Amino acid sequence: DGGITQSPKYLFRKEGQNVTLSCEQNLNHDAMYWYRQDPGQGLRLIYYSQIVNDFQKGDIAEGYSVSREKKESFPLTVTSAQKNPTAFYLCASSITGTGRNQPQHFGDGTRLSIL
Amino acid sequence: AQSVAQPEDQVNVAEGNPLTVKCTYSVSGNPYLFWYVQYPNRGLQFLLKYITGDNLVKGSYGFEAEFNKSQTSFHLKKPSALVSDSALYFCAVRDNSGYSTLTFGKGTMLLVSP
Repeated sequence: DGGITQSPKYLFRKEGQNVTLSCEQNLNHDAMYWYRQDPGQGLRLIYYSQIVNDFQKGDIAEGYSVSREKKESFPLTVTSAQKNPTAFYLCASSITGTGRNQPQHFGDGTRLSIL
Repeated sequence: AQSVAQPEDQVNVAEGNPLTVKCTYSVSGNPYLFWYVQYPNRGLQFLLKYITGDNLVKGSYGFEAEFNKSQTSFHLKKPSALVSDSALYFCAVRDNSGYSTLTFGKGTMLLVSP
């Protein structure tokens, strides 16, 4: 079955450490997204990518970095500059272009906590 | 800038009763509107969308939503609630130009009691 796989499901970060969250999709979607979810705040966009080797900052990109070297993969690195990284991170993908009215498909998330 | 408001943090309804989860939006141009549902520790699942055409949209699991352009609303409804409908519901909007980024509301927790 096609879908989005996020790993790991739970992740712990030490002070001063960078950690990378994995997101892989086999839906052949061009666009991929990273969101951060905090209780009572909905989803906030961190980064998105419309095509391989290109990505744009979302609303809360500070302290995060991404890469898009393959269509299927869009890893997110939470750097030590992100002072409040504890959250639930969701990856999504969608068709772009004329498919702008198509829904985004979501993975099951990674929960990041600070040790 | 586009925005979504979900005015209720929580909606409580008894099983078998109709339910409504409210959503209002602000966007330049014509909106694309979506409803998603999230169960604990899971990702979001798509329920339904409004793009154009009929103002009453039918979606998954018996849910429907009514688009009202004059009131800029897109309320989610179901005629008869189930306990299994208890979850977090998100409304989202995207404008019909430019990049495909969604703006989400803060979410409404729906609790259906037996």
